[in-house]
Amino acid sequence: DAKTTQPTSMDCAEGRAANLPCNHSTISGNEYVYWYRQIHSQGPQYIIHGLKNNETNEMASLIITEDRKSSTLILPHATLRDTAVYYCIVRAPNTGTASKLTFGTGTRLQVTL
Amino acid sequence: DTGVSQNPRHKITKRGQNVTFRCDPISEHNRLYWYRQTLGQGPEFLTYFQNEAQLEKSRLLSDRFSAERPKGSFSTLEIQRTEQGDSAMYLCASSLVRPSGRVKEQFFGPGTRLTVL
Repeated sequence: DAKTTQPTSMDCAEGRAANLPCNHSTISGNEYVYWYRQIHSQGPQYIIHGLKNNETNEMASLIITEDRKSSTLILPHATLRDTAVYYCIVRAPNTGTASKLTFGTGTRLQVTL
Repeated sequence: DTGVSQNPRHKITKRGQNVTFRCDPISEHNRLYWYRQTLGQGPEFLTYFQNEAQLEKSRLLSDRFSAERPKGSFSTLEIQRTEQGDSAMYLCASSLVRPSGRVKEQFFGPGTRLTVL
């Protein structure tokens, strides 16, 4: 699986959009970008994933650049409950045995009043 | 609650003792994973099961570690002769593999925090 690079930490004011970047310059053509988050003392939680098109769900939006070498997770209206470590993971198609997740150290997002 | 459950949530043990953790996945999920997480790091993959078959084991899973999923439902992770370096959060996750082979996203349990004194 391709390696990802994320900032160690970020701050965001409550109610504002949180934009979390991720670089994955060695991503292969068939690899997906996944985002998970981990709130303190809990297990990781799936947020969203995508291949090359932008994706949106009830939690977040995922913007993937045209060359697929980077992506941005957007939390449109951050709340204090969004304070967590956010992991960007690149992995092969979710089939067969290639389904384990390889986590980095993620971005610690602190949402403040 | 129909999520992934893990027991116990916390375990304190003395070095050299054996410990066993249990994971109950989401009921219809046929794939089950174990991860380990140390302070300040992301989770690291240990092993996974497809139904009762253990299909992959990480190099992190030393001979002192054994995992089972005897009936393809719950799983246990046993650590024998615990060492202080085994202190970590042990996370379990489950997912559904469709007949097409596509694997849906993983759902994680709250973890078992092990402290070895």
